[in-house]
Amino acid sequence: AQKVTQAQTEISVVEKEDVTLDCVYETRDTTYYLFWYKQPPSGELVFLIRRNSFDEQNEISGRYSWNFQKSTSSFNFTITASQVVDSAVYFCALSSPVGSTLGRLYFGRGTQLTVWP
Amino acid sequence: DTGVSQDPRHKITKRGQNVTFRCDPISEHNRLYWYRQTLGQGPEFLTYFQNEAQLEKSRLLSDRFSAERPKGSFSTLEIQRTEQGDSAMYLCASSFDRGREDTQYFGPGTRLTVL
Repeated sequence: AQKVTQAQTEISVVEKEDVTLDCVYETRDTTYYLFWYKQPPSGELVFLIRRNSFDEQNEISGRYSWNFQKSTSSFNFTITASQVVDSAVYFCALSSPVGSTLGRLYFGRGTQLTVWP
Repeated sequence: DTGVSQDPRHKITKRGQNVTFRCDPISEHNRLYWYRQTLGQGPEFLTYFQNEAQLEKSRLLSDRFSAERPKGSFSTLEIQRTEQGDSAMYLCASSFDRGREDTQYFGPGTRLTVL
């Protein structure tokens, strides 16, 4: 069974602080894909990144970085020098292949990040 | 290139009424998904279509729920005899089937309140 755990329900930081959002996943599949989505107050889920299980290379995109470690089944997300606009709910999700395509997404419960000015 | 659109954005109904939501995917996307999100939870999968074929349904999709995608373009999700427990955000996502390279892109959601 697929499962994603985001243990941090809420995090509050002051602007310019660095913050890391944790994601731990469970799957029996050897091939799988991990995702992060951002959900601002408007409600729309915004895609941030996808990673496949064979690519453990960390990724950096501007102030965002992701650390994927298969040994600990974790896919953590760090925001450097946080800004008020980063305030949102962040979801980690997992998907496994169904034949030659990807199946449904399994989401964690999300982490509400609040960045104070 | 417009994103996924959903209509209406908000719906308030009385218990026992039927409601229908619409989702228009990104134009070239052949896959369409429906998810439900309750307060404080992550989205949960309901069903998905590849073109006009409904390929998978979650056990969350009770007999009161029906989804269609008649021409492989837009989709509708109908809930019959609504119950208070149906109050949630209903999210639609679409993707282009590139094998294992497809990524789901989400619409703004329809927030349903059942009184």
